[in-house]
Amino acid sequence: GAVVSQHPSWVICKSGTSVKIECRSLDFQATTMFWYRQFPKQSLMLMATSNEGSKATYEQGVEKDKFLINHASLTLSTLTVTSAHPEDSSFYICSAPSPSTGLFGEQYFGPGTRLTVT
Amino acid sequence: AQSVTQLDSHVSVSEGTPVLLRCNYSSSYSPSLFWYVQHPNKGLQLLLKYTSAATLVKGINGFEAEFKKSETSFHLTKPSAHMSDAAEYFCVVKRGNAGNMLTFGGGTRLMVKP
Repeated sequence: GAVVSQHPSWVICKSGTSVKIECRSLDFQATTMFWYRQFPKQSLMLMATSNEGSKATYEQGVEKDKFLINHASLTLSTLTVTSAHPEDSSFYICSAPSPSTGLFGEQYFGPGTRLTVT
Repeated sequence: AQSVTQLDSHVSVSEGTPVLLRCNYSSSYSPSLFWYVQHPNKGLQLLLKYTSAATLVKGINGFEAEFKKSETSFHLTKPSAHMSDAAEYFCVVKRGNAGNMLTFGGGTRLMVKP
């Protein structure tokens, strides 16, 4: 079945630095990918929709200058957390729509990236 | 607007006994409903989905869910729990005519005792 990967699986960085997280669709193309954030013992919150070849669409309350999204190709979207602070520590998850059902069907989720900012 | 409420944050069952994870939704449009499972250090995996076909939906690993419009519910059940079922379960609703409007419930952690 379709697989979505994320890299790195976990990262620790110092406050004030930037961190890039990659999301790849391994055996299918995805013109749209989604980025979620999950706090400990909480549910997933959609942060933004990543669109290949155009600007990302951010959910209300998400700072687009802090969470930079680039959809460089049909199989790769990146999320860069700029000037990270401890409150940015979280579990970041990406997803891509199923190639067979498209946006109106299921989505395939990556395994997530745990970010810890010290 | 749409929302999803998972009525129990934690459910504990003994191995071999039935599982019931409750989910209620609200949606202004005809919804698509999903149940996903999240095992530690793994991506969310789709268990089953309802998209306006049969109201009783069968999924993987013996799970099933019944869509009840009158009760706005989509509870997840399994006749006999297995130790490997211990995980976090999310009920998810998507607006029928929107491509990316996924709304996640708060999650239910299922614990299975030997």
